[in-house]
Amino acid sequence: LAKTTQPISMDSYEGQEVNITCSHNNIATNDYITWYQQFPSQGPRFIIQGYKTKVTNEVASLFIPADRKSSTLSLPRVSLSDTAVYYCLVGDESGGYQKVTFGTGTKLQVIP
Amino acid sequence: DTEVTQTPKHLVMGMTNKKSLKCEQHMGHRAMYWYKQKAKKPPELMFVYSYEKLSINESVPSRFSPECPNSSLLNLHLHALQPEDSALYLCASSQDNRGNYGYTFGSGTRLTVV
Repeated sequence: LAKTTQPISMDSYEGQEVNITCSHNNIATNDYITWYQQFPSQGPRFIIQGYKTKVTNEVASLFIPADRKSSTLSLPRVSLSDTAVYYCLVGDESGGYQKVTFGTGTKLQVIP
Repeated sequence: DTEVTQTPKHLVMGMTNKKSLKCEQHMGHRAMYWYKQKAKKPPELMFVYSYEKLSINESVPSRFSPECPNSSLLNLHLHALQPEDSALYLCASSQDNRGNYGYTFGSGTRLTVV
């Protein structure tokens, strides 16, 4: 079963705010929610991580409702260089260890 | 040093060759990971090392053999690969095996099996 569900793709014009929502209905009590950005032929890059409510850093904000069954990554005023695939990750216990399984990700295309 | 370094960046190997991929981090992270990523697909977890011990093997074929010589190094030994094993191989590390402080990924090794 997929741990996370995201839209497959999104388009946005330059300068707009983009919100990408991720569903994680089976998130465990002690799991954090982490978002990554990946450009073609590069490794994923950490964007932001949160546990509940709102987290903000210099590149993005992360909104997590009280039930933690979903989260929203907000990218303010996107530029062409933000065109990438965005992954939402939560933990997954396996035999006492945690592993991370990537979902399909959201391919964001920023249009001039 | 906040990076995960992978070498080589590109590798072409024949189906009878033996080669190794290397991964190194000096952040004091105690968990390290190998992922495989095919074109236009998300990364797929292959192996997890926690405190230098193999903790998760995602039913990876034996032609892939991981090794963790010490807490900073992770190798992936390749032998008798198939063309379908061509992919981007990513190494990652995290502070502990729970990953709750995020994962740092290397830029990957692009492997082509001919």
